[in-house]
Amino acid sequence: EPEVTQTPSHQVTQMGQEVILRCVPISNHLYFYWYRQILGQKVEFLVSFYNNEISEKSEIFDDQFSVERPDGSNFTLKIRSTKLEDSAMYFCASSEAQGIGTGELFFGEGSRLTVL
Amino acid sequence: AQSVTQLDSQVPVFEEAPVELRCNYSSSVSVYLFWYVQYPNQGLQLLLKYLSGSTLVKGINGFEAEFNKSQTSFHLRKPSVHISDTAEYFCAVRSSSYKLIFGSGTRLLVRP
Repeated sequence: EPEVTQTPSHQVTQMGQEVILRCVPISNHLYFYWYRQILGQKVEFLVSFYNNEISEKSEIFDDQFSVERPDGSNFTLKIRSTKLEDSAMYFCASSEAQGIGTGELFFGEGSRLTVL
Repeated sequence: AQSVTQLDSQVPVFEEAPVELRCNYSSSVSVYLFWYVQYPNQGLQLLLKYLSGSTLVKGINGFEAEFNKSQTSFHLRKPSVHISDTAEYFCAVRSSSYKLIFGSGTRLLVRP
């Protein structure tokens, strides 16, 4: 069964360092998302991406964050100058389309980021 | 704007007992609702979804949910839970821009 894969599963970094989280969406999917979940809190939307550009971003997704689809398979989230409060689980998701019957989001297993 | 409220942060229940996890939503547009499950140290897995049609939706692992428009609810139920159902359960609503908006989650703790 096709799945969304994320790497690394866990990354520990020092405050101020740059981090890149990688995702390989399901191959025929066109819409990509990043969500984050701070420990013990709800899953929050960060950004959606379609046709090589951001289609929507939340207030959380400020200039510290960027997304990129560097090739035909990867979808990355870059966090510049990490802060302690960036510690969270980051989930990548993809969907085939955005229609009623095909808009289901498939989530990866997540990348846990710990900022020290 | 759409939002989701899960009033119960934790629901303890004994094995083989029935369970209901509550979800209320707020939406001014057509409603598409989802329940996701997150097992310890794992990602989010879709349990079931309501897009249209029958208000009673059946999902995986014996779970079902009922869409109630008048009460703006989408409660998740299972008639008999197992230890393996211990997990975090998230209710979500799809926004008009197709992103998912999640509730704060309910931790289901099944005891032997």
